[in-house]
Amino acid sequence: GDSVTQMEGPVTLSEEAFLTINCTYTATGYPSLFWYVQYPGEGLQLLLKATKADDKGSNKGFEATYRKETTSFHLEKGSVQVSDSAVYFCALSDPNQAGTALIFGKGTTLSVSS
Amino acid sequence: EAQVTQNPRYLITVTGKKLTVTCSQNMNHEYMSWYRQDPGLGLRQIYYSMNVEVTDKGDVPEGYKVSRKEKRNFPLILESPSPNQTSLYFCASSSIPGQSTTDTQYFGPGTRLTVL
Repeated sequence: GDSVTQMEGPVTLSEEAFLTINCTYTATGYPSLFWYVQYPGEGLQLLLKATKADDKGSNKGFEATYRKETTSFHLEKGSVQVSDSAVYFCALSDPNQAGTALIFGKGTTLSVSS
Repeated sequence: EAQVTQNPRYLITVTGKKLTVTCSQNMNHEYMSWYRQDPGLGLRQIYYSMNVEVTDKGDVPEGYKVSRKEKRNFPLILESPSPNQTSLYFCASSSIPGQSTTDTQYFGPGTRLTVL
């Protein structure tokens, strides 16, 4: 079945460092790909999405490119801030499996210190 | 404001005492679902509903029930809670997945449940 694998955390960075969180997926169809962020004590918020190969999603300085050839959707940010400390989830939505809708990775905790 | 609300936000209960967690959305979404989040496991889907009176099991439905009598509400029912249901629960809603490029799921703030 479909699955998402993302790098284990926690990831600890200093402010203004470059961030990469790796995400790869397995899907039978052509999924949409998402990054969700969960700030402490809050629910999940959509950070960015891409619906087809080579699309780049971007938001709040974060970017991710849908790479079909490597089945990847790595999250990047050029200069992280303390306020970016959160748990980040990579997810996919497979149109061939409408019921399950979103399949999540296990999440990566990011901690940014000043 | 478009939102998904859940109540209660925090609940401590004892084994076997029936409880209901409510979920409501104001975006007229057809699709609603429940997830549980556990450390090291990410989010796993419990149940989902494609529309009123249409519900189906997700990946981890054992010990849970749901109902969808109205489009906006999707309560999660634990008839006889057990300690292994201690978790963080999220409700989500969207338009029908796969039918629109705007089928982003919106999540509620979460309900932290502890079963003693």
